[in-house]
Amino acid sequence: DAGVTQSPTHLIKTRGQHVTLRCSPISGHKSVSWYQQVLGQGPQFIFQYYEKEERGRGNFPDRFSARQFPNYSSELNVNALLLGDSALYLCASSFTDSNQPQHFGDGTRLSIL
Amino acid sequence: DAKTTQPTSMDCAEGRAANLPCNHSTISGNEYVYWYRQIHSQGPQYIIHGLKNNETNEMASLIITEDRKSSTLILPHATLRDTAVYYCIARGFGDSSYKLIFGSGTRLLVRP
Repeated sequence: DAGVTQSPTHLIKTRGQHVTLRCSPISGHKSVSWYQQVLGQGPQFIFQYYEKEERGRGNFPDRFSARQFPNYSSELNVNALLLGDSALYLCASSFTDSNQPQHFGDGTRLSIL
Repeated sequence: DAKTTQPTSMDCAEGRAANLPCNHSTISGNEYVYWYRQIHSQGPQYIIHGLKNNETNEMASLIITEDRKSSTLILPHATLRDTAVYYCIARGFGDSSYKLIFGSGTRLLVRP
């Protein structure tokens, strides 16, 4: 079975641009979560979506937004990119929104120049 | 969510058991202990989780103390492929369980 897939794997942007990252969950999983991992640190929670509704949001500015589609795939959008947004962006999926293990993709590495 | 404390780094010999400790002295009664690992350049991989009973699966065993203030992840026969950063996470139940709060983890090096 396919795991969580994310695209693109690598991306280079410049300050001020916007970016869209995509995630396809494991088949049958209805919840998608997004995390940001800066080099040398553990992942930080950004959003969780379940059944197309936002169920939780981490301490990130409004430049970060996300949505979930009827097929449970998801997009993470970041506007007005800053140098500090350079990170590995991870997507995780689970059957439901709580008390189920979250399974991660290998992420999108975003570099801001 | 409870804060967890792990050693920064550990090492063990290939073929031996790797015992990774985690302190979660402020854990509440409904918080689960989750373990993930992250191999370089990959996303975190789910290993195991438990509430108060010891758990075992094909990857590892999880031993939780009776007072639930600490736990140990055991990799029974470590291989070079087990070299990774291991994260211990205390995860809430119900409405507070939607997110995983990662710390800095333990960097495990398995020596040949």
